Amino acid sequence: RKEVEQDPGPFNVPEGATVAFNCTYSNSASQSFFWYRQDCRKEPKLLMSVYSSGNEDGRFTAQLNRASQYISLLIRDSKLSDSATYLCVVSNYGQNFVFGPGTRLSVLP
Amino acid sequence: GAGVSQSPSNKVTEKGKDVELRCDPISGHTALYWYRQSLGQGLEFLIYFQGNSAPDKSGLPSDRFSAERTGGSVSTLTIQRTQQEDSAVYLCASSRDPMIDADTQYFGPGTRLTVL
Repeated sequence: RKEVEQDPGPFNVPEGATVAFNCTYSNSASQSFFWYRQDCRKEPKLLMSVYSSGNEDGRFTAQLNRASQYISLLIRDSKLSDSATYLCVVSNYGQNFVFGPGTRLSVLP
Repeated sequence: GAGVSQSPSNKVTEKGKDVELRCDPISGHTALYWYRQSLGQGLEFLIYFQGNSAPDKSGLPSDRFSAERTGGSVSTLTIQRTQQEDSAVYLCASSRDPMIDADTQYFGPGTRLTVL
């Protein structure tokens, strides 16, 4: 089993749709959780950290369930500019960042 | 200040040649990571430097790969006797001291390596 697994995708959604991505991790010692986005042929960039209580940043909401070792990302009111690959990342005090394979999102006009 | 920079941005080499890839992390960042990403694939961890500690080399795929970090700043990834399967984008990232505060990674633009 891979350390970090994500929905295989791709997700093709119309503008304005709500879309949710799921991620599971196998290392129960993981302490930090992030969502990164990666545009085609670009480097990954931090989208948001994920906190135990859940957190929201504008149209984006991240949730963490430590008991189930599950992380989610919800995007509301999708924009064309949201089209990218979304990477789930877990780490143990920064010593070992493990990236998931990514889920590709295409928002269609 | 400036972000993470990498050079060269593109490198085309012949099979069997050695290549050196350079990474300049963000000033003050003590942690530095190297990853590689093959076309359409996820990021593969290669090596991790943290301050003066011994690097975590657990991700290096073979002994043809090595990396060093001089003065706790600039890092060089060296691939000896390159093979076609080494063709990928090599990404460098840095972060502040992760032992104090788990922090985000900031990525450089990558070096696209093509081995003919």
